[in-house]
Amino acid sequence: KAGVTQTPRYLIKTRGQQVTLSCSPISGHRSVSWYQQTPGQGLQFLFEYFSETQRNKGNFPGRFSGRQFSNSRSEMNVSTLELGDSALYLCASSLGGSNTDTQYFGPGTRLTVL
Amino acid sequence: GENVEQHPSTLSVQEGDSAVIKCTYSDSASNYFPWYKQELGKRPQLIIDIRSNVGEKKDQRIAVTLNKTAKHFSLHITETQPEDSAVYFCAATLRGIQGAQKLVFGQGTRLTINP
Repeated sequence: KAGVTQTPRYLIKTRGQQVTLSCSPISGHRSVSWYQQTPGQGLQFLFEYFSETQRNKGNFPGRFSGRQFSNSRSEMNVSTLELGDSALYLCASSLGGSNTDTQYFGPGTRLTVL
Repeated sequence: GENVEQHPSTLSVQEGDSAVIKCTYSDSASNYFPWYKQELGKRPQLIIDIRSNVGEKKDQRIAVTLNKTAKHFSLHITETQPEDSAVYFCAATLRGIQGAQKLVFGQGTRLTINP
């Protein structure tokens, strides 16, 4: 099976702009979770989607949003970008039927905000 | 609260020796504990996981132990090799609505294997 894929791999934006990142899960996986990885804060949970519904949410401001499509592909959007949003954004997919399902990570999107 | 503490933040061992990384969690409802290895510039890769109905699990040179009473779990790597050099993350998942997953990660341990 193909692994989790993310596009684009790299993005450079300026403050105030918005950005959309995409994640395609492993075939058959219905859950997609998003994480922000920074050197200072480590891996922080953003949100989880399952069957097109947000099932879980982390402690991020409303500028961070997401959605999931009927084919389980997911997008996350960050509006009004700030310098502190520069990070590696990782998505992970799992079967989604249990909270002990293994999560498989994508390669990430490196976002730089200037 | 939701918190996972991981120690040490850096660890350097001689090739062939053992390495141990420890994590503690705060939520007694946590029931799944994966460990991920992340090499420089690459995605986190699951190396081993343990569920709360098991106390220990082993896979070749890697083992994980779980003490639910003390709310801590540990990763043990024996006979370390240079390719074990990476950042290791522990995580705990919280019980939520049916099937819902939220992984809370430790801060990571940078493991260096010296030849």
